[in-house]
Amino acid sequence: QVQLRESGPGLVQPSQTLSLTCTVSGFSLTSHSVHWVRQHSGKSLEWLGRMWSDGRPSYKSAFTSRLSISRDTSKSQVFLKMNSLQTADTGTYYCARGTFTTGGDVMDAWGQGASVTVSS
Amino acid sequence: DIQMTQTPSSMPASLGERVTISCRASQGISNYLNWYQQKSDGTIKPLIYYTSNLQSGVPSRFSGSGSGTDYSLTISSLEPEDFAMYYCQQYDNYPWTFGGGTKLELK
Repeated sequence: QVQLRESGPGLVQPSQTLSLTCTVSGFSLTSHSVHWVRQHSGKSLEWLGRMWSDGRPSYKSAFTSRLSISRDTSKSQVFLKMNSLQTADTGTYYCARGTFTTGGDVMDAWGQGASVTVSS
Repeated sequence: DIQMTQTPSSMPASLGERVTISCRASQGISNYLNWYQQKSDGTIKPLIYYTSNLQSGVPSRFSGSGSGTDYSLTISSLEPEDFAMYYCQQYDNYPWTFGGGTKLELK
């Protein structure tokens, strides 16, 4: 079945770089896109970016200068790298599969989330 | 960015009750609206896509409607597993944006 699993360090120092990996199974990265979404504790969800099935990344404009999304199709992995981390980047980071349907473009499967704390 | 405003932010309700959650976009989004459920353990699952289409495996007590800037999610008869957070999300424009969430609580 379709699964996504985020992994990465739970603690990152301020000004350092966050590196997260989303390992997927049950589908191909060349057939589906993968999104990254984060959630501050007790807050709503924030869309960060997307790795399209053709290998192109898209980013929320506010993060263009410090966010990079890439992939390794041979390992079924999508990577998120965010630099210059601040305490405001603390939260839970999710990866989610993107699927097109008639009229629809939906995140139809989600990982369990990776908790990230930015602190010295 | 398109702002999504959900109301109410929290809703006490009883088992078997019919509830409706509203979502208003800051501009028309041409029905490009999804709904998601988040459980207390953080698990997120899609419920409705393109305003009114039920995601596979989602019970028929869930339904969605709306047009233009105003959308809603209705649960016809609350079951114990429905008490959770609900988010609307627009995909008409990038960046995709979510509503602030509605916490459905047991009365």
